[in-house]
Amino acid sequence: ETGVTQSPTHLIKTRGQQVTLRCSSQSGHNTVSWYQQALGQGPQFIFQYYREEENGRGNFPPRFSGLQFPNYSSELNVNALELDDSALYLCASSPDQRGGTGELFFGEGSRLTVL
Amino acid sequence: RKEVEQDPGPFNVPEGATVAFNCTYSNSASQSFFWYRQDCRKEPKLLMSVYSSGNEDGRFTAQLNRASQYISLLIRDSKLSDSATYLCVVPRGGSARQLTFGSGTQLTVLP
Repeated sequence: ETGVTQSPTHLIKTRGQQVTLRCSSQSGHNTVSWYQQALGQGPQFIFQYYREEENGRGNFPPRFSGLQFPNYSSELNVNALELDDSALYLCASSPDQRGGTGELFFGEGSRLTVL
Repeated sequence: RKEVEQDPGPFNVPEGATVAFNCTYSNSASQSFFWYRQDCRKEPKLLMSVYSSGNEDGRFTAQLNRASQYISLLIRDSKLSDSATYLCVVPRGGSARQLTFGSGTQLTVLP
């Protein structure tokens, strides 16, 4: 069973640029969520995708957008990068949209630095 | 009041000690709660789920007090390998798959 994989693992951008982060969900999982984790903080929910539709969004501006593909993989796009966007971006997959044990399976994350 | 608040730590304890972490949450309608563990520079992983008054798994005990909106995690006989950040987690709204994480409590178990 392949776990959640994310790419790239590290990247550096400058203010105003755009970034795309990618995630492959764990085999058999159809729900993907994205979280932002700033240094010293817990992960903050960005949004969730289920069957290629956005299904829930946290307190993040519209310049954070995403996609889910038919194979359940996902992308997170951030436009007009700001210094405060520097963080670890975590992708998590789960086998269904609601209910269950609440266990999310996280990838190792993409560490974004904005200069 | 923050949605989820935790003891900031850090907690530095000797091997074999018992340590307890506290967490409060603001949404009185929450039905399920979780503790995740995050090792340094790694991804969070589920440690325990709490659906009723509490849950026990070996050296780990989670307790829930709904009246006080308070969750705790007790670790007995601490091991060096328990060193990590412990995240208190509450579902957002009605979905157990969209989670609100506390800021975490850092534990270091010393030899």
